[in-house]
Amino acid sequence: DIQMTQSPSSLSASVGDRVIITCQASQGIGYFLNWYQQKPGKAPKLLIYGASNLETGVPSRFSGSRSGTDFTFTISSLEPEDIATYYCQQHYSLRTFGQGTKVEIK
Amino acid sequence: QVQLQESGPGLVKPSGTLSLTCAVSGGSISTSNWWSWVRQPPGKGLEWIGEISHSGTTNYNPSLESRVTISVDTSKNQFSLKLNSVTAADTAVYYCAREGYDFSGYYRYFDFWGQGNLVTVSS
Repeated sequence: DIQMTQSPSSLSASVGDRVIITCQASQGIGYFLNWYQQKPGKAPKLLIYGASNLETGVPSRFSGSRSGTDFTFTISSLEPEDIATYYCQQHYSLRTFGQGTKVEIK
Repeated sequence: QVQLQESGPGLVKPSGTLSLTCAVSGGSISTSNWWSWVRQPPGKGLEWIGEISHSGTTNYNPSLESRVTISVDTSKNQFSLKLNSVTAADTAVYYCAREGYDFSGYYRYFDFWGQGNLVTVSS
């Protein structure tokens, strides 16, 4: 089974800050990595697919990148509406989610 | 616009069977997409349960495989989840989701989700 180790589990940042979340795969998964945003009481929303491709309609302050089995999700300038929990998810073999990162405003 | 709607009992007794159905509207279930179940225990993260194609091919999370059955009914444009021998640890919001793909067909992702159905396991 492929495990996805996501960190940190939570973070607090100020509006305008750059926020970085990482996800490490237990084995190579190529670029088969997605990022989702989930707000309380809502279903997850796709933000990025293929490690770095922005879903249509998603603000450009969100971005993703890959280095080997390490993946990075970045919010370039945190907005109040970005308060949510973010998950990575691999689709190289079956499907696995990371543990999630809760982003709060400082 | 594809829409998914979960339905089923909100309360299941321990050792019983959890049964949910996901109705798909705004599009046919008989496409090249795959259809998944994902759950989320209260206050915790997302867990993929399994998936099914319109032809009935399934893949399951190894940690749940011995207790899970996912089926599809193309005539009703819906798919279903059965989880047997449930315990309190199976209490969660259960989501159904469509797995779409980009123009190349190379990348897959969950692009449409139901609103979620909270199932509590309790006597």
